[in-house]
Amino acid sequence: SYELTQPPSISVSPGQTVSMTCSGDELGDKYVYWYQQKPGQSPVVVIYEDTKRPSGIPERFSGSSSGNTATLTISGTQTMDGSDYYCQAWHGVTAVFGGGTKLTVL
Amino acid sequence: QLQLQESGPGLVKPSETLSLTCTVSGGSISNSKYYWGWIRQPPGKGLEGIANINYSGNTYYNPSLESRVTISVDTSKNQFSLKLNSVTAADTAVYYCARVVLDCATGTCYKNYFDFWGQGTLVTVSS
Repeated sequence: SYELTQPPSISVSPGQTVSMTCSGDELGDKYVYWYQQKPGQSPVVVIYEDTKRPSGIPERFSGSSSGNTATLTISGTQTMDGSDYYCQAWHGVTAVFGGGTKLTVL
Repeated sequence: QLQLQESGPGLVKPSETLSLTCTVSGGSISNSKYYWGWIRQPPGKGLEGIANINYSGNTYYNPSLESRVTISVDTSKNQFSLKLNSVTAADTAVYYCARVVLDCATGTCYKNYFDFWGQGTLVTVSS
């Protein structure tokens, strides 16, 4: 089965820039989507099609992709950005999610 | 504003069938610009795509679950449903329904992101 790999956890200090990665076979041939999920809440998309930001998502969220790795970057991280982040891609007809990265802001 | 609401039993016995319905309000499930899907999340774990469907009944399943899953749509009720049979404790999870944006700008349609999600419903498999 197709897998997307994310680091389990990352820490960042408020105001700093943090990046988290998502890797998978032939990921460069697919679009990657990033979701933010706070405890007890449903996921919210923060980046779609590798680099695009939906309306209402702060500009400090950005996405990039190179080779088989996609990256979500948060610039000027705020305390409220502490969440779980999941990458997602379509593998054939199936939505595949990464295992998630827990971002701690402290 | 579009809203999705999951409904169904919160407790299912092992070997039985899990049945959930997602009711869509504030928009039509018959809109050809979207697919509709189910995603689940075991307690403390990550997300897993289960299946998706469009208004005309085109269905797509996660190969790892395909033998046990059925997704269906009822446009008259603006609802879509999930059935998962022969459940075990491993199927205990929060089940979300969500809308999938369909992008047809290039002439070939492809599934994009999940833009609206239900609040999720916890289904526990236990005797």
